Amino acid sequence: AQSVTQLGSHVSVSEGALVLLRCNYSSSVPPYLFWYVQYPNQGLQLLLKYTTGATLVKGINGFEAEFKKSETSFHLTKPSAHMSDAAEYFCAVSDNTDKLIFGTGTRLQVFP
Amino acid sequence: GAGVSQSPSNKVTEKGKDVELRCDPISGHTALYWYRQSLGQGLEFLIYFQGNSAPDKSGLPSDRFSAERTGGSVSTLTIQRTQQEDSAVYLCASSLHKTGGEAFFGQGTRLTVV
Repeated sequence: AQSVTQLGSHVSVSEGALVLLRCNYSSSVPPYLFWYVQYPNQGLQLLLKYTTGATLVKGINGFEAEFKKSETSFHLTKPSAHMSDAAEYFCAVSDNTDKLIFGTGTRLQVFP
Repeated sequence: GAGVSQSPSNKVTEKGKDVELRCDPISGHTALYWYRQSLGQGLEFLIYFQGNSAPDKSGLPSDRFSAERTGGSVSTLTIQRTQQEDSAVYLCASSLHKTGGEAFFGQGTRLTVV
């Protein structure tokens, strides 16, 4: 069965600094990987996803993630944080059954 | 509607009562998921419906929880004899049945058991 581990329940960065949110997965088959974002008092929305092909995936709002099979990782990055990036971020994995399993989330705080 | 609709948006119930939470998925989406979001617990998988296949109920925390999906569309999550630890936001999502397809989420039902 697939699973997801997000290291760090809280991450704080200064505005303009690099954002790095970590995600490691476990899957017995080639995984499909997702990052979702939940802004305060809003629903979850897809940030980006990896299915096949290019391992570096670009998403909305300047975020990107790289699928590294050898490290079973799918870390989320953004070169320069903005105040509006403050939210909770969830990594998720699915297999060929499409059952979607989420991590426990990482709350990102951005300080001016 | 254009998105996943959940009702009610908020529900306060007394301990021991039964509650029903409703989810209207996006039209044409064959996959439907229920999750529970508690503070510090992330999104806990509850149940997954895919077309006419038997649902994956492996995430239901106890036999007090059940869900059904009628006609491959609307789904109802039922919690019997509610307990205070059932207090959480219950999220529903739907997706097209295609490999790696995006799941679209509703706004959730905030359940408070008093």
